[in-house]
Amino acid sequence: DAGVTQSPTHLIKTRGQHVTLRCSPISGHKSVSWYQQVLGQGPQFIFQYYEKEERGRGNFPDRFSARQFPNYSSELNVNALLLGDSALYLCASTPEALRHEQYFGPGTRLTVT
Amino acid sequence: DQQVKQNSPSLSVQEGRISILNCDYTNSMFDYFLWYKKYPAEGPTFLISISSIKDKNEDGRFTVFLNKSAKHLSLHIVPSQPGDSAVYFCAASAYGNQFYFGTGTSLTVIP
Repeated sequence: DAGVTQSPTHLIKTRGQHVTLRCSPISGHKSVSWYQQVLGQGPQFIFQYYEKEERGRGNFPDRFSARQFPNYSSELNVNALLLGDSALYLCASTPEALRHEQYFGPGTRLTVT
Repeated sequence: DQQVKQNSPSLSVQEGRISILNCDYTNSMFDYFLWYKKYPAEGPTFLISISSIKDKNEDGRFTVFLNKSAKHLSLHIVPSQPGDSAVYFCAASAYGNQFYFGTGTSLTVIP
């Protein structure tokens, strides 16, 4: 069975641009969470979605938004990119909203120049 | 504000010996704790967890200890193997809400 998949693997953008990152959860998993991991730090929680509804939001500006589709895949959008947005963006899926063991994808490496 | 802290950025251990990774937290509302292992170019992989109603959980070579009064947890790996070399993150959550991760400890097991 396929694990969590994310696309693209790597991405280079310029300051001020917009980016969309995509995530497909493990089959049967209904909840998707997004994390940002800056070099040398642990993952920081951005959003959790369950059954297409936002269930949690971390301390990130409104430039960050996300959505979940009927097939439970998800998109993370970041507007007006800043140099500080350069990071590894991780997606994790769980069967239910409050399930503790999350399964992570390999991440998308975003570089903002 | 870092609610979960891993104060040792790196740790080196001889193969066959015990590896002890430590984690401290500040939020007394945390009721579930997890350890993840991460290899380069891969996402974190769940390793072991512990609920706040327990003080120990064991799974094969991996044991997690929780000291609630000290707000401290540790991961013991016995015996350590070269394949255990990775970055280890501890994470905590309160009532199944967002997870807070530590900054990670890079473990190197020397053959």
